[in-house]
Amino acid sequence: ETGVTQTPRHLVMGMTNKKSLKCEQHLGHNAMYWYKQSAKKPLELMFVYSLEERVENNSVPSRFSPECPNSSHLFLHLHTLQPEDSALYLCASSQASGGYNEQFFGPGTRLTVL
Amino acid sequence: AQKITQTQPGMFVQEKEAVTLDCTYDTSDQSYGLFWYKQPSSGEMIFLIYQGSYDEQNATEGRYSLNFQKARKSANLVISASQLGDSAMYFCAMREDDDDKIIFGKGTRLHILP
Repeated sequence: ETGVTQTPRHLVMGMTNKKSLKCEQHLGHNAMYWYKQSAKKPLELMFVYSLEERVENNSVPSRFSPECPNSSHLFLHLHTLQPEDSALYLCASSQASGGYNEQFFGPGTRLTVL
Repeated sequence: AQKITQTQPGMFVQEKEAVTLDCTYDTSDQSYGLFWYKQPSSGEMIFLIYQGSYDEQNATEGRYSLNFQKARKSANLVISASQLGDSAMYFCAMREDDDDKIIFGKGTRLHILP
């Protein structure tokens, strides 16, 4: 596989469920990102991991819990979500720092919370 | 203050015409990168083109070119000979050199009319 992959592509869950989103990059990058994209709202950066350390957490509710076990894998653990958390969740990777380093995105996970 | 401003929420353009998508940015850094991404209805974010702050020539990639006006802090995307498949959301983004993250604008939804 090449690029950035995300699984699952679609997820429907109840508010009491616990699920995890997975992201894997095969590009040799050392920074990974989670974004949330709701309908009619701009991209929201949720978490940034650089060299496997969390460097940014933009006031995301604790019901979202990221995990970055190594530079190639990133997880987003979900529990007791709310219907307003329904959105497209995008993972991206890049080389850490450097204005010339573009981010490569995965295809996204479309999450619906019932 | 917004770092990336895209003033056109939506545009309608006739097929085969050229289209310019506006983007202005705000930074006090001297070294930064500017990016454009395309997001079709499928949801994935596709990297289109990059312009470095020190690049003297405007970036070009096939039908895409970036009209970079540094003094005006403007980085407009020009798509020549538009095609139906160009219908998508387009995001302008910036990365400052010492930062791990890319900042995105709110996007412009482009509709190409047959």
